[in-house]
Amino acid sequence: GENVEQHPSTLSVQEGDSAVIKCTYSDSASNYFPWYKQELGKRPQLIIDIRSNVGEKKDQRIAVTLNKTAKHFSLHITETQPEDSAVYFCAASGGTSYGKLTFGQGTILTVHP
Amino acid sequence: GAGVSQSPSNKVTEKGKDVELRCDPISGHTALYWYRQSLGQGLEFLIYFQGNSAPDKSGLPSDRFSAERTGGSVSTLTIQRTQQEDSAVYLCASNPGQGNYGYTFGSGTRLTVV
Repeated sequence: GENVEQHPSTLSVQEGDSAVIKCTYSDSASNYFPWYKQELGKRPQLIIDIRSNVGEKKDQRIAVTLNKTAKHFSLHITETQPEDSAVYFCAASGGTSYGKLTFGQGTILTVHP
Repeated sequence: GAGVSQSPSNKVTEKGKDVELRCDPISGHTALYWYRQSLGQGLEFLIYFQGNSAPDKSGLPSDRFSAERTGGSVSTLTIQRTQQEDSAVYLCASNPGQGNYGYTFGSGTRLTVV
């Protein structure tokens, strides 16, 4: 089955800086890659996703890039704000995991004012 | 409904007792998932229902865990003879199915086994 590795496990930045979280996946047939944000005590919420037919997608301060050859994808947050502090999870599906997401281990992002 | 509903939101049970957790997915969503999240940990897949197909039970950690989905809508996750290591937040999610889509998660059930 699919295996997703996520790095770093913790990330601390100053307000206004950029943050980058990286994930690698094992199944070359995977074709859907969402990112979730989970605030303390809350449910995970989808913030952005990308499919394998595009290399980059942006939504205001967040962007996701995908390198199918290297089997990795990344989340970029620019101009970070304290409310961006949360746990971020990457995920992948498709191929042998069609319709079912395999999640990375999560990254705890802390944005210091 | 407007979102994925889970009940109860919190459950404290004694070791050895059975518990039932309920999930009501978004109306019309054919795919339903159960995940488990231990304190400070990631999202562990448990089981996946898609329409009338046989469920993918590959994530269930032991035969004490079972789940059913009646009428293609509400699902119940049952844990028999609970153990302390079963303590976690149990998250349900749904999506439209028939493809790869992101999930909408419920708020979860926090299970504490004492």
